[in-house]
Amino acid sequence: GAGVSQSPSNKVTEKGKDVELRCDPISGHTALYWYRQSLGQGLEFLIYFQGNSAPDKSGLPSDRFSAERTGGSVSTLTIQRTQQEDSAVYLCASSFGNQPQHFGDGTRLSIL
Amino acid sequence: RKEVEQDPGPFNVPEGATVAFNCTYSNSASQSFFWYRQDCRKEPKLLMSVYSSGNEDGRFTAQLNRASQYISLLIRDSKLSDSATYLCVVQVTNRKLIWGLGTSLAVNP
Repeated sequence: GAGVSQSPSNKVTEKGKDVELRCDPISGHTALYWYRQSLGQGLEFLIYFQGNSAPDKSGLPSDRFSAERTGGSVSTLTIQRTQQEDSAVYLCASSFGNQPQHFGDGTRLSIL
Repeated sequence: RKEVEQDPGPFNVPEGATVAFNCTYSNSASQSFFWYRQDCRKEPKLLMSVYSSGNEDGRFTAQLNRASQYISLLIRDSKLSDSATYLCVVQVTNRKLIWGLGTSLAVNP
């Protein structure tokens, strides 16, 4: 597709379950970012992939969070043993070089 | 000191007003600068890139001051539809983008 695609758009799950969020970036974009955003708050950086370089994981809030990017394209963000404080909108963005980022519509995650 | 700082506002202005936002950044090696707009419960969308010479897009004007390490966004003739959060973004080449927390604007009838 022409834009960044994220799935699912909404996810409701019980505390303690694992969840997997998917991001399909714009074709050819070498950089991919994951952010999360709680209502009324700013963007919180989670992880950054740039080409074949080691990812910048400095924003991951705990070891329950992990992400991978296979083949330099699709990325999955996994949250293990979810907690209620993990509830947020998870946004993926991609870019190429020094060009602006483009965002997906996000995944709205709710932990019951 | 945060890498990118913005006044959170909120800025409350009447329709037709001119409003300006500033954003300061700490890394003098920053090369790329952007303004994004985010509506409530939506993803951020690119408003405009910021170029060294300054640039204009309709009612919006962006400026970069490298010496003082700030960028600005000027909105003329504000519309109700301009109400949103405006996010400043800065990038050092080939490194991750750094986002400000945003400035909230409310344009009132």
